[in-house]
Amino acid sequence: RKEVEQDPGPFNVPEGATVAFNCTYSNSASQSFFWYRQDCRKEPKLLMSVYSSGNEDGRFTAQLNRASQYISLLIRDSKLSDSATYLCAFYNQAGTALIFGKGTTLSVSS
Amino acid sequence: NAGVTQTPKFQVLKTGQSMTLQCAQDMNHEYMSWYRQDPGMGLRLIHYSVGAGITDQGEVPNGYNVSRSTTEDFPLRLLSAAPSQTSVYFCASSVTGEPYEQYFGPGTRLTVT
Repeated sequence: RKEVEQDPGPFNVPEGATVAFNCTYSNSASQSFFWYRQDCRKEPKLLMSVYSSGNEDGRFTAQLNRASQYISLLIRDSKLSDSATYLCAFYNQAGTALIFGKGTTLSVSS
Repeated sequence: NAGVTQTPKFQVLKTGQSMTLQCAQDMNHEYMSWYRQDPGMGLRLIHYSVGAGITDQGEVPNGYNVSRSTTEDFPLRLLSAAPSQTSVYFCASSVTGEPYEQYFGPGTRLTVT
């Protein structure tokens, strides 16, 4: 299994849709997980951390499934401004660096 | 606060040339790192530092050197540029000594011909 796998998409959805992305990871010892957002030709920015109990921030919900080793990001009521690439990230085995997925591209259209 | 700054924004090098990509942060962050991003490859860690005077290799360190003489600065040196080093380079920093919530700089787009 690769260290981290994300469906690259693109996910093309209309405004108002609900969309979900998954990210699988291989390091079962990982303790910290994150979702970053990257706009075209810009730097990644932290969107939210993923806690064991799940994490919700407005229209965004992040969940962790340790048994199946994946994290998910749910976006409700999609906006045009949500169009971006979403990168998952988690600690490497030594806890010294973040490993990033290749990203999932979301395109929201009117 | 300026956050994380990177210079230059764009650079074209010829094969064999050397150069230094600059990265600075004014947030007193302990942890700093360098990534490269290539189409279809995602972000790959080149080098990182958990504090002044301490650096370590990441996933793709070959062809790059770093140093961390101050908390603020973390320059990345390309020793002898190769076309395979054409990429977008991002510097990032984190407030703790761990790569927790990383703040990224705007990136340097490097082309090696």
